[in-house]
Amino acid sequence: DVKVTQSSRYLVKRTGEKVFLECVQDMDHENMFWYRQDPGLGLRLIYFSYDVKMKEKGDIPEGYSVSREKKERFSLILESASTNQTSMYLCATITYTGAQFYNEQFFGPGTRLTVL
Amino acid sequence: QKEVEQNSGPLSVPEGAIASLNCTYSDRVSQSFFWYRQYSGKSPELIMSIYSNGDKEDGRFTAQLNKASQYVSLLIRDSQPSDSATYLCAVFYGQNFVFGPGTRLSVLP
Repeated sequence: DVKVTQSSRYLVKRTGEKVFLECVQDMDHENMFWYRQDPGLGLRLIYFSYDVKMKEKGDIPEGYSVSREKKERFSLILESASTNQTSMYLCATITYTGAQFYNEQFFGPGTRLTVL
Repeated sequence: QKEVEQNSGPLSVPEGAIASLNCTYSDRVSQSFFWYRQYSGKSPELIMSIYSNGDKEDGRFTAQLNKASQYVSLLIRDSQPSDSATYLCAVFYGQNFVFGPGTRLSVLP
């Protein structure tokens, strides 16, 4: 089974702090994603990565950056946390066949971040 | 802008009934469609995938796809209180998934 782990389930930070959210997957998948999930807005893609040191912006990258130094690890960075970044953050990986079929996404347990 | 739409609910059904969840999508190019279940405070878990027009059954779950109408649905037969959750529809567009906002299902004992 695919296993995706996230460093923290719950995190409380103060406005202006630099925040690191870590995600690790154990299936040697190339593709990794960071989403945030808010009530009424669903899952929104922040950044994704297809390979080490490679990153692409998603739909809402503002205020975030990412790092992928190793294939199994994808980090989300909030350079200066703000209260509007209070949210559930979900990391995911994907099985990828090179075609549009049979690409299934698997999620980590999520990190609920509160910025005070 | 690729969009996936769902009724937000809540959808309430009595225990043992059939729950019907609907999803529409905007891009005709889409080939892969998924249903995720998400319990409160938990991450989404994949329950069904469908790629071809028609029905796909897995236990109490049936996914239905109509590409001409750009419509995908999920039927849950013999609904149980443990099925109470938010159900997310997801569409794979080339490289990324686009998720609908989810439908909250409540199965009443």
